[in-house]
Amino acid sequence: QQQVKQSPQSLIVQKGGISIINCAYENTAFDYFPWYQQFPGKGPALLIAIRPDVSEKKEGRFTISFNKSAKQFSLHIMDSQPGDSATYFCAASQETSGSRLTFGEGTQLTVNP
Amino acid sequence: DTAVSQTPKYLVTQMGNDKSIKCEQNLGHDTMYWYKQDSKKFLKIMFSYNNKELIINETVPNRFSPKSPDKAHLNLHINSLELGDSAVYFCASSPRGGGGDTQYFGPGTRLTVL
Repeated sequence: QQQVKQSPQSLIVQKGGISIINCAYENTAFDYFPWYQQFPGKGPALLIAIRPDVSEKKEGRFTISFNKSAKQFSLHIMDSQPGDSATYFCAASQETSGSRLTFGEGTQLTVNP
Repeated sequence: DTAVSQTPKYLVTQMGNDKSIKCEQNLGHDTMYWYKQDSKKFLKIMFSYNNKELIINETVPNRFSPKSPDKAHLNLHINSLELGDSAVYFCASSPRGGGGDTQYFGPGTRLTVL
């Protein structure tokens, strides 16, 4: 049972454009929603995270938008750069189940120069 | 000063063999994990240990056995390797193991079973 669905599977954006990756979850008990970034040959690394008590969180060019009623959240990358080319994973967890992260399927982002 | 390290980085072996992957973290974290990333890049948790105690044990064949000699080390032993075990295995650690903890991943071990 896939509890976190992510789309698109792949995304190609021109340098300077906006990249948008969407995730939807089923478990309403989830209360922590991180995004991880993975470069080829490396392990994933935390990029940005949000809790459901806020609708938006911004860190530099990266913004998470969160819609609790729709059970959806998305990552926006403003002014996308070739160095942003990587695989992005959304994830979700709930405090009461400890640190068990449920990941989305991943989005391969390519930013063309 | 690598935070989470894994050895080996690459492992090529024949079906039926037994192999081990080692993981060490120098972050002082209480919780460590093993994840499997398949060919489609899907990441799935396999095991989690908190202070040497097993706390997450997903539906994983019992050919996979984790061992945590101390809270800085979590090793993964795989018996009777099968073709379907080919994947990248990531070790990770987090400070407490609570919800909201940042997980720090190692560089991965690419296992190829021939």
